[in-house]
Amino acid sequence: GAGVSQSPSNKVTEKGKDVELRCDPISGHTALYWYRQRLGQGLEFLIYFQGNSAPDKSGLPSDRFSAERTGESVSTLTIQRTQQEDSAVYLCASSFEGGPHPYEQYFGPGTRLTVT
Amino acid sequence: LAKTTQPISMDSYEGQEVNITCSHNNIATNDYITWYQQFPSQGPRFIIQGYKTKVTNEVASLFIPADRKSSTLSLPRVSLSDTAVYYCLVGDLFSGGYNKLIFGAGTRLAVHP
Repeated sequence: GAGVSQSPSNKVTEKGKDVELRCDPISGHTALYWYRQRLGQGLEFLIYFQGNSAPDKSGLPSDRFSAERTGESVSTLTIQRTQQEDSAVYLCASSFEGGPHPYEQYFGPGTRLTVT
Repeated sequence: LAKTTQPISMDSYEGQEVNITCSHNNIATNDYITWYQQFPSQGPRFIIQGYKTKVTNEVASLFIPADRKSSTLSLPRVSLSDTAVYYCLVGDLFSGGYNKLIFGAGTRLAVHP
């Protein structure tokens, strides 16, 4: 079946502009995660959704970052007034409770954001 | 949250067995140990998961000693395509802890011809 998809794959924006990143999880996956990965670094947890609710927003780096999920499906991560330090790859993952490996996360290919 | 420590990088040659050890001294009773692999320009991919003793699948083995304060990912007979970053994660998967799984810097494995 289809995996996790993200769009756009690449985004170049000017400092101060708003950007919206989209994630389409695997159908039926109730949990959805957003991570940020700077060049050569590990993944930085941003936010987690269970259904359409976000019980943990602790990883969002500032109030310029927000995310929502609708229909227990697609999620959007919005970054307002982008700064150069926001440049990174933004990864989305989804998971479900069943399966042989509890909460195995399936990752999308990521969106590479460059703020000029 | 259980913190993990892994070597920053490792080098190996094709055909060799590679063992990557992860330390997690403050692992909790309900924590599982999970390993992911990440190739350049791709999202991480699940490799293996375990709670105790030994787990084996078609690509790797995971060894967990009785005290569970460390774990070792074993990759048999590596090839050039195993060059990637390997992440060790520890977390309680059944009490909402999975959303706080922390991907550290990982271990960058380079396999040479």
